[in-house]
Amino acid sequence: EAGVTQFPSHSVIEKGQTVTLRCDPISGHDNLYWYRRVMGKEIKFLLHFVKESKQDESGMPNNRFLAERTGGTYSTLKVQPAELEDSGVYFCASSPPGGQPQHFGDGTRLSIL
Amino acid sequence: EDQVTQSPEALRLQEGESSSLNCSYTVSGLRGLFWYRQDPGKGPEFLFTLYSAGEEKEKERLKATLTKKESFLHITAPKPEDSATYLCAVLAYYGNNRLAFGKGNQVVVIP
Repeated sequence: EAGVTQFPSHSVIEKGQTVTLRCDPISGHDNLYWYRRVMGKEIKFLLHFVKESKQDESGMPNNRFLAERTGGTYSTLKVQPAELEDSGVYFCASSPPGGQPQHFGDGTRLSIL
Repeated sequence: EDQVTQSPEALRLQEGESSSLNCSYTVSGLRGLFWYRQDPGKGPEFLFTLYSAGEEKEKERLKATLTKKESFLHITAPKPEDSATYLCAVLAYYGNNRLAFGKGNQVVVIP
């Protein structure tokens, strides 16, 4: 069974540019989550999809971040325009319809210069 | 707000030297406590879920236990391949499905 896949694995962009991260969940997992770890801090929740609907987006830092999950399959997280403090590792996770446990991808390492 | 504190932050062990990692938590209504293992450059890998005080789970050299205030991850006779960062996370009843993580316990096992 394929795990959670994230693309790209690394991204380096300049402040003010736009970046889009992609996540492909485990097949059959209705729940999809985005988390972020900034340097020196713990992993923090960003948002949760159930199929194509946003169930909880309480962790999104501001309106420069836009997450979508069209058709309830893969998800994208767009940062526009990127700021220096957006640097970090962005993890995606998915879980089955029952809810838990969450299985994580290897993350996208985002560096804003 | 849910809080998870892990100690020690870093631990160096000789191969075969057993030890325990601590995860203290504060949450209004614990729905589950999760242990993950993370290797450098990789994502968290699920190990265990604990739901209620007194529960224990085992996998190879790892054993996780849970009380009403903390969880322990016991590593028995560790091997170098057990070197990793171990993450603890809690799920609250009111928090939908979002996990609240601790900063992790970085474990190095020396041959």
